[in-house]
Amino acid sequence: EDKVVQSPLSLVVHEGDTVTLNCSYEVTNFRSLLWYKQEKKAPTFLFMLTSSGIEKKSGRLSSILDKKELFSILNITATQTGDSAIYLCGTSYDKVIFGPGTSLSVIP
Amino acid sequence: EAQVTQNPRYLITVTGKKLTVTCSQNMNHEYMSWYRQDPGLGLRQIYYSMNVEVTDKGDVPEGYKVSRKEKRNFPLILESPSPNQTSLYFCASSFYRADTDTQYFGPGTRLTVL
Repeated sequence: EDKVVQSPLSLVVHEGDTVTLNCSYEVTNFRSLLWYKQEKKAPTFLFMLTSSGIEKKSGRLSSILDKKELFSILNITATQTGDSAIYLCGTSYDKVIFGPGTSLSVIP
Repeated sequence: EAQVTQNPRYLITVTGKKLTVTCSQNMNHEYMSWYRQDPGLGLRQIYYSMNVEVTDKGDVPEGYKVSRKEKRNFPLILESPSPNQTSLYFCASSFYRADTDTQYFGPGTRLTVL
């Protein structure tokens, strides 16, 4: 059965901390690894990763994929309260499979 | 403005009463998809469509129907809703494929089945 696992499921940090969110997958078909951020509304796109070892960056966020070990990480440096959200990891081939999400709370 | 719209945004209904949730996008996207989101389970894909008249099952298609007669519209049909279909539903679209292009999500429809 295809599955995407995220850890931790929930995380509370202080502003300025650096966090690492983990995503591992076990799927029959794979083309890309997706990261989305969900605040109190619809998910918004963060990253799409297709190649191993190539880091993608957007401001304080970065992500990397390891296709051999079947996992990805999302790093957020110097966290801010605006980073508080659910972070969703998923895999895509034609079908999309998401994990349960990591709920991040950043407190002042 | 480029967007994905869903209607209704909130719906309370009773078991067995057929309902349709509409989804429309104005970006000329080929790929459209429906997800449901439940606490602790993340987003689960119900159905997706690669193009007009082409639809495929996602992970949780039971109890749902879809159709793609026009490129812009992708309605979700619950022929006989049951309480376990109470959920938050999102429609999404992407230009070509979900694994090559960003998915844009609609605002969500909160459905309660009594």
